[in-house]
Formats: sequence, structure tokens, C-alpha cells
Amino acid sequence: GQQLNQSPQSMFIQEGEDVSMNCTSSSIFNTWLWYKQDPGEGPVLLIALYKAGELTSNGRLTAQFGITRKDSFLNISASIPSDVGIYFCAGLMEYGNKLVFGAGTILRVKS
Amino acid sequence: NAGVMQNPRHLVRRRGQEARLRCSPVKGHSHVYWYRQLPEEGLKFMVYLQKENIIDESGMPKERFSAEFPKEGPSILRIQQVVRGDSAAYFCASSPLGQADYGYTFGSGTRLTVV
Repeated sequence: GQQLNQSPQSMFIQEGEDVSMNCTSSSIFNTWLWYKQDPGEGPVLLIALYKAGELTSNGRLTAQFGITRKDSFLNISASIPSDVGIYFCAGLMEYGNKLVFGAGTILRVKS
Repeated sequence: NAGVMQNPRHLVRRRGQEARLRCSPVKGHSHVYWYRQLPEEGLKFMVYLQKENIIDESGMPKERFSAEFPKEGPSILRIQQVVRGDSAAYFCASSPLGQADYGYTFGSGTRLTVV
């Protein structure tokens, strides 16, 4: 089945630092989505990307849809303690209804 | 303005018992998706249902697992004769149309523990 390779697996950073994480795949995806999951909760959508090359921002978050349609990255600028959580990338194939998720990046912020 | 409601939040079952997980989609949404999350892993697709129909069950284990979304009432994910390996968080999501492009809305999940 399709697989998304997400890296890094975890990050422990100082408050105020910028963060970068990415996802790659051997398959082409039509849509890339980035989610955040807090402990004991479901994933919450952060950013959705629909076109190759698209760069989208949501506050301190910026995400890009790779030109090859096989990768995406998420940047968080000036991290704060509430950024702590697990970040997942997810891809959707053309005409698909099921999301393929990466294994997640655990973000810890030291204040 | 309720989102996707799942209950129970936590469920403990002994091996061999049945587990019933309920999902009420966002009001007006007629498409429901179930995902399973094992510890320290991403979510894995299980099944996609529209009212009274199973559209895609390619992620469902062949035995013991079933799902329904009746005309009235919540969607139910049923696991018969649970085993330890069924312990996981089960998430339901809903969308107004059969399109996942907008990243559909997830519930808070049901955490199943099999003892």
C-alpha cells in the first residue's frame, strides 16, 4: 500500500526556534494535509495543499506541496509551548477518499 | 455546533468480548470514515460509509470487524471476540460530501483496551 515517510520522528527544541518537518512518498498525491494531534484528542487540520508548488501559510505555520507531488514540508516559526504535540502529514490520491498518514513527528518545546 | 462525537472515550474489554464504538457525524454530514491508530503510529484507514452503504472497506480486517451507518442514528464500528492486538485508538471522521480534499473533521476517538 501507499506509504508516507515522515521525518524527523521527534524534535526537542527551545522556545522561539523555528521547526521544519517533511513527508516524502514514492506515490503521487493530489492533496497534502497537515494535522496536529494533542494527547487524548483527534487530529485537527492545520493546512491543506491542493496544487504542486503551492505554498500556504496559517499564522506561524507554512507548508508547501512539492513540485513532484511526492513530498511536502511544514515549517513552524518562533515556536511556543502550545505547539507541543504530534504533527502528521496525510496524502490523498486523485479520486480517493481515504487519507494516507505519515507516522508523525513528536514536537517538544523547552521554555 | 457539535463536531464529530464519539463514545465511549475509553472502553475496556476482556479478550473474547464484543466492542461497540459509536460515532455521530457533524450535523448534515452523510459520509463517515473510521481510522485506527496504534501507539506511536499514524492513523490507518479502515472503512468509508455513506448513509446505509459501505463505500470502501479495504482497510477492514476480514474477520471480526464490521461497520454500519444506518439511516437513523450513529455509525457503529463493531469488533467481535476482541484480542489484545485490537487495543488502539479508533477515530471517526465525517464530511458533507464524499470528498476528503478538505481534510474532513475527526472526533476525539475511542481508546479501546483489551485485557
